Amino acid sequence: GAVVSQHPSRVICKSGTSVKIECRSLDFQATTMFWYRQFPKQSLMLMATSNEGSKATYEQGVEKDKFLINHASLTLSTLTVTSAHPEDSSFYICSARGTGGFGDTQYFGPGTRLTVL
Amino acid sequence: GENVEQHPSTLSVQEGDSAVIKCTYSDSASNYFPWYKQELGKRPQLIIDIRSNVGEKKDQRIAVTLNKTAKHFSLHITETQPEDSAVYFCAASLTGGSYIPTFGRGTSLIVHP
Repeated sequence: GAVVSQHPSRVICKSGTSVKIECRSLDFQATTMFWYRQFPKQSLMLMATSNEGSKATYEQGVEKDKFLINHASLTLSTLTVTSAHPEDSSFYICSARGTGGFGDTQYFGPGTRLTVL
Repeated sequence: GENVEQHPSTLSVQEGDSAVIKCTYSDSASNYFPWYKQELGKRPQLIIDIRSNVGEKKDQRIAVTLNKTAKHFSLHITETQPEDSAVYFCAASLTGGSYIPTFGRGTSLIVHP
């Protein structure tokens, strides 16, 4: 099956620092990756969509200079939260979609719990 | 754009009962409808999906039905078990090409032993 990993699973950082989260598709090529943010007991909020080799497309209200997304290869996308503040604390989840047999379904990573002190 | 409504937001059942979660979508072009289960603190996992060329699909205790005319689809779980307790999300999208799936707001299913 399709496996997506995400690292780190949990990070605690001080306000003002930057945090990088990696999302990898382990056994398929992810032509598209999605980044979501999820608050407790709430739905998945799409932040941005990235296609390999292209600039990410951000959803309305998401600051692209604060949430830097890079999709440099078909198996790796990164989300960098720059100058993190306590309000950025959340559960960040990536998902990946490939081609062929993996072309329709999104496969989610395990998520990263970010806590900004 | 697509809009997906999901109901109910919370569903509480006794073990052994059936549970039904309903979703409606707005874009008649949508042709792929996956359902995800998310346990607390974990990733959403695909449990079943259906494409617009079929009206029903079953996988053991789980089934999904699709009514294209009415633009709604439902998840049915029979003989519920405590381990079915989780948040369930429906989604609607297009197959092929670059599209962005639209998710429902989720249903918290609680199965009481």
